[in-house]
Amino acid sequence: DAGVTQSPTHLIKTRGQQVTLRCSPKSGHDTVSWYQQALGQGPQFIFQYYEEEERQRGNFPDRFSGHQFPNYSSELNVNALLLGDSALYLCASSLGRGEAFFGQGTRLTVV
Amino acid sequence: RKEVEQDPGPFNVPEGATVAFNCTYSNSASQSFFWYRQDCRKEPKLLMSVYSSGNEDGRFTAQLNRASQYISLLIRDSKLSDSATYLCVEKKSSGDKLTFGTGTRLAVRP
Repeated sequence: DAGVTQSPTHLIKTRGQQVTLRCSPKSGHDTVSWYQQALGQGPQFIFQYYEEEERQRGNFPDRFSGHQFPNYSSELNVNALLLGDSALYLCASSLGRGEAFFGQGTRLTVV
Repeated sequence: RKEVEQDPGPFNVPEGATVAFNCTYSNSASQSFFWYRQDCRKEPKLLMSVYSSGNEDGRFTAQLNRASQYISLLIRDSKLSDSATYLCVEKKSSGDKLTFGTGTRLAVRP
């Protein structure tokens, strides 16, 4: 059983560019959450998707947007990248309100 | 004030030592608490849930004190493989987001 998978694993982008990160949830899971983890910090909640709708959102600007597809997979989009967006982006999936399992993350570097 | 606060460490201990991590949370309405472990450049993984009655899993003991809004993790007989960052996490209600502390780094030396 594949766990949560994220792609790509690493990415380098230039300031002002846009990026799309992808997440496939653990088999049987229907809820996907995204987190940003800056170096030396704990993960910070970005938003959560359930039934293709954004159910909850953290304190992130509108440059951060997402989508969930009918197969429960999800994308995180970040527009107008800033140097401060450099971080590990983690996707977590769960079945309804159950335990969340994390993917290995996408390490984004903005130069 | 941060919602979840932890001592960032690092804690540098010899094998076999007992080490304790502490964490405080600011929202008295928070319902669920957890300790996650994160290895270098890896994803966080659930170590254990934390209950008011205290819970133990092998060498690991977690405790919640709601009156003081305080959570602890005790690791006995430390192993080299325990070296990692330990993240204190709270969740206000079922299905809610996870709120993480900054993590406490543990290094166990031979």
